[in-house]
Amino acid sequence: EDQVTQSPEALRLQEGESSSLNCSYTVSGLRGLFWYRQDPGKGPEFLFTLYSAGEEKEKERLKATLTKKESFLHITAPKPEDSATYLCAVRGGWGNYQLIWGAGTKLIIKP
Amino acid sequence: DTGVSQNPRHKITKRGQNVTFRCDPISEHNRLYWYRQTLGQGPEFLTYFQNEAQLEKSRLLSDRFSAERPKGSFSTLEIQRTEQGDSAMYLCASSRQGPNSYNEQFFGPGTRLTVL
Repeated sequence: EDQVTQSPEALRLQEGESSSLNCSYTVSGLRGLFWYRQDPGKGPEFLFTLYSAGEEKEKERLKATLTKKESFLHITAPKPEDSATYLCAVRGGWGNYQLIWGAGTKLIIKP
Repeated sequence: DTGVSQNPRHKITKRGQNVTFRCDPISEHNRLYWYRQTLGQGPEFLTYFQNEAQLEKSRLLSDRFSAERPKGSFSTLEIQRTEQGDSAMYLCASSRQGPNSYNEQFFGPGTRLTVL
């Protein structure tokens, strides 16, 4: 069964303190791993797509990496405005367009 | 604004009433998805359309839920005989089909449903 597990559930950091969020997955035939950011009361905001092991994507203070079993979202020198829930999702199988989601990591950056 | 829009943003209803939500996708996107999200959880897939055809439907979706996309543009999600357990955020997303697309889904702001 396709499954996505994110850790930790919550992470509190001081402004400027770098860290990483983890997304472990099991899926038959990965057709994309997606990172989203979600602010309270809003819909998820697309950040990155990763498709093959070894791939990396960067956007401002965020960098996403992918292996055959997991993905990391590295956040460098975070600011309070980076506080949000970060969601990971995978798409697996030919002709399967639904996404399987993790429960998210709630990131809090204290000034 | 050319993003995904959803209406209403909030809906409060009494148990047993029917409710309908609307989603307008990004104009050039031919795929449309409905998800449900409860507090502290990731979105849960409900159903998926390619143009006007409903191609996937979650087996968790009871027969009280129905979705349509009559002209391949906007979509509606109806919940009949609402129950308190239906209280959640209902999210709509859209994506485009194409050779250079990994089917990135773009989400609307959601409709928050509260069933009293």
